[in-house]
Amino acid sequence: GAGVSQTPSNKVTEKGKYVELRCDPISGHTALYWYRQSLGQGPEFLIYFQGTGAADDSGLPNDRFFAVRPEGSVSTLKIQRTERGDSAVYLCASSPQGRGTGELFFGEGSRLTVL
Amino acid sequence: RKEVEQDPGPFNVPEGATVAFNCTYSNSASQSFFWYRQDCRKEPKLLMSVYSSGNEDGRFTAQLNRASQYISLLIRDSKLSDSATYLCVVVPPLNTGFQKLVFGTGTRLLVSP
Repeated sequence: GAGVSQTPSNKVTEKGKYVELRCDPISGHTALYWYRQSLGQGPEFLIYFQGTGAADDSGLPNDRFFAVRPEGSVSTLKIQRTERGDSAVYLCASSPQGRGTGELFFGEGSRLTVL
Repeated sequence: RKEVEQDPGPFNVPEGATVAFNCTYSNSASQSFFWYRQDCRKEPKLLMSVYSSGNEDGRFTAQLNRASQYISLLIRDSKLSDSATYLCVVVPPLNTGFQKLVFGTGTRLLVSP
């Protein structure tokens, strides 16, 4: 389909390891968002890209988290020295532009489990 | 105080019932409001926008009360397929030129036969 694609769908890792999560947005969407959703909670904003640049990274919890979008399409969320508290579903979303109708198109998420 | 607050539920209702959810938000200058639906272990999807004048889409009605800073969602004639988590979403005041959606924790609805 032509929706937002996220890989891997599931990732189990050990505490202290490095993890990369990939997001392939809908073709032509310039705005890309990363959210994190813990059990029983709503999605929590992490970072927003407009094109290649991170326009707002105020939601990243600390400097272990970093995200890139080098060519303005695919984005990678990188987590260093993972901790058990990082376990969550990481959701990527895209929209045609930053300002709009309030509709973000989410991927199915990458479920991260840190043992 | 959280930016967006919802009763997590669950709300257990029989088929055909009418059910209403409320959501409150803390920033009086918030500019836009939405309801999203999230099925179990699936991604959130936009259900409908919320306007001060009210917004109706079939069995669903959404309303905004700016004076009291709350948003409501009414579902009439509930169907089994309405069982899901309903997420209240607020867009804070425009300060960075993009729509940063702030989600509530969600209200879980279970419709039984």
